[in-house]
This record gives sequence, C-alpha cells and structure tokens, in this order.
Amino acid sequence: NAGVTQTPKFRILKIGQSMTLQCTQDMNHNYMYWYRQDPGMGLKLIYYSVGAGITDKGEVPNGYNVSRSTTEDFPLRLELAAPSQTSVYFCASEGPGRGKTEAFFGQGTRLTVV
Amino acid sequence: QQPVQSPQAVILREGEDAVINCSSSKALYSVHWYRQKHGEAPVFLMILLKGGEQKGHDKISASFNEKKQQSSLYLTASQLSYSGTYFCGTELGGYQKVTFGTGTKLQVIP
Repeated sequence: NAGVTQTPKFRILKIGQSMTLQCTQDMNHNYMYWYRQDPGMGLKLIYYSVGAGITDKGEVPNGYNVSRSTTEDFPLRLELAAPSQTSVYFCASEGPGRGKTEAFFGQGTRLTVV
Repeated sequence: QQPVQSPQAVILREGEDAVINCSSSKALYSVHWYRQKHGEAPVFLMILLKGGEQKGHDKISASFNEKKQQSSLYLTASQLSYSGTYFCGTELGGYQKVTFGTGTKLQVIP
C-alpha cells in the first residue's frame, strides 16, 4: 500500500496563477482532509470530505476549492494564487470507523507564491 | 474551535519527563495526538475516546478527562527521538472533523 500520495512535493507559483494539488489514497478511507501549515504554526483545516461527492469547508476555505468524485482522490484547487497562500499543504485520510482510527498524512506539498 | 495546548515549547534532558496539555472549551468526543518532526508529515501516536480513557505505548501515554474537556500527553524517561512538535486534535462529535491545536515544540538534549 502506498498510503496517501501528494503531488507535487514543491511548487513555485506567480501571483494570480492557479494550480491543483493532487491527493490520492489507496486505503479505501471515507474521510479525507486538506490542511495548511504555515511556518512554525499548527495545522489549519481547509476542506474535508466524508465520502465521494460530499465536501465541506474547514476553518480557512477562502481561495480554495475541492472536489471528491471518487473515494481515492481529493484534489485541492487554488485559484488566483496570493502570497498569503504560501504554506505547506498536507492531505490526510481516515477510516473506515470514524473517531476510532488514525489519520494518515501525505508527505506534504511546499508551495511558494511570489 | 481550536484546542489550546500548553506549554508552547519545552526543553528536556534525556531521561526527564514531560507533560503536554490540551484543552477545549467545548465537549469532546475524542482527542488525537500526533508528533511531527521538522520537515516531515505528522505521525499518529494515539486516539482517546470520551469515557475517561487512558492509553499508552512504550514510555508515551495519555489521559482524557471528559468532564474537564482536557487531555494530557505524558512522556517519561525522554529519549532524543522524542524531539518534535506534538499536536493534539479534537473532535466534537463522532462524525465530525478533527481540529488541531497550535502544537508544543519539544526538544530533548543529551
């Protein structure tokens, strides 16, 4: 099992550009999450999904969009990138039993907006 | 509602003990603990469910006081490998998202 795979690992964007951060998991987990982590700070929830076709906003959703067309994939879209979106982005998945299992994290995507 | 962790940072000598606290202003269903080393992804340590659980493995254990909406992580006889940032994540209901605290940076020195 590969677990949770994120691509790319690093990316530099210019202000106003758009991009999609990819996340895929092979554990058949229902729950998937996107977090951002600013330097020296904690994890802030951007969006999460409880299953294919269902997504909901977290604490800091502005400037981002997600979709969940399959159980495996949960891409995060950045529209009109801004310097404030410079951060490390982590995707995580959890399941099948809610509240009783661990979350598995991807290795992160380090994004710089210049 | 983001949980509050204390202390924000702690430095230990090898073999010393530490306690990291996590508290919430709302009733909790579960508390999750993770450790993150610099430049790496967070790694799961343990989950505690409401009901006043206490869990542990090796020299790291945790308790969950449902009435106080608080959890504590206990690290005993610390090792250099314990260094990292510890995050607690809290869940308000059985099918809700996990919200993480700001972290406690732990450094173990020889």
